[in-house]
Amino acid sequence: QVQLQESGPGLVKPSQTLSLTCTVSGGSISSGDYYWSWLRQPPGKGLEWIGCIFDSGNTYYSPSLRSRATISVDTSKNQFSLKLNSVAAADTAVYYCARNLVVGSNWFGPWGQGTLVTVSS
Amino acid sequence: DIQMTQSPSSVSASVGDRVTITCRASQDISSWLAWYQQKPGKAPKLLTYPASSLQSGVPSRFSGSGSGTYFTLTISSLQPEDFATYYCQQANNFPLTFGGGTKVEI
Repeated sequence: QVQLQESGPGLVKPSQTLSLTCTVSGGSISSGDYYWSWLRQPPGKGLEWIGCIFDSGNTYYSPSLRSRATISVDTSKNQFSLKLNSVAAADTAVYYCARNLVVGSNWFGPWGQGTLVTVSS
Repeated sequence: DIQMTQSPSSVSASVGDRVTITCRASQDISSWLAWYQQKPGKAPKLLTYPASSLQSGVPSRFSGSGSGTYFTLTISSLQPEDFATYYCQQANNFPLTFGGGTKVEI
C-alpha cells in the first residue's frame, strides 16, 4: 500500500522559508486522479489543511496561507513538496503529508508520520 | 470557509461507557463528513466517511451519523485503546476544514 514520509529541516529561523518534502512509496504519485495534501498541527492544537496538488498540477490552498504557501510535485522522484515563506513562531507545528483515500473523495487515507518544524532564532 | 464546531472539547469516561461526540457545520455539507482518531505522537487515523461509512479495520463499536449541519460520532462501548482525540472534517469543498477536536479521557 501507499506510504508517505515527510523530510526537511526541523528548525527554521523567523522570516525564512520552510521547505518540506513528502516521499511516496508503494505507488506512483502520478497514477490516477488522487491529490496530495499538506496539513499541520501546532503543538497541543487542532489540525489545519494547508493545501493540495492534483495529478494535473492544479493546486488549491487554504485562504489563510495562500499568499505564503507553494505546493509542487516532482514525478521523477515520486515526491511532492511544500514551501512556506516568511515564517513566524505561529508556524511552529507538526507538518503532515497525506493523500485522499480514494479518487474523488476529500477525506484522508494514507498519512505520513509527521515532522515537527520549529520556527525560532 | 466552512466552520466546524465540535463538542464537547473533552469528555471523561470509563471503559464500557457509551460516548457521543457532536460536530456542527456552519453550512449544509450534506453527508460529506469524516471522523478521525488521533493518539499522542501519531498521525490521525480515518474512522468513518462520509458521515456513516466505516473505514476498513475500524471496530463496529464506532458509528457516525448525521447530515446537513449536524453530525455525531458514537462509541458504543469504550475500550482502553479508544482514549484519544477525535476530529471531524468537512469533505464538501475546499478549503477542507476540521473541528477543534474532542479529547476522550479517563
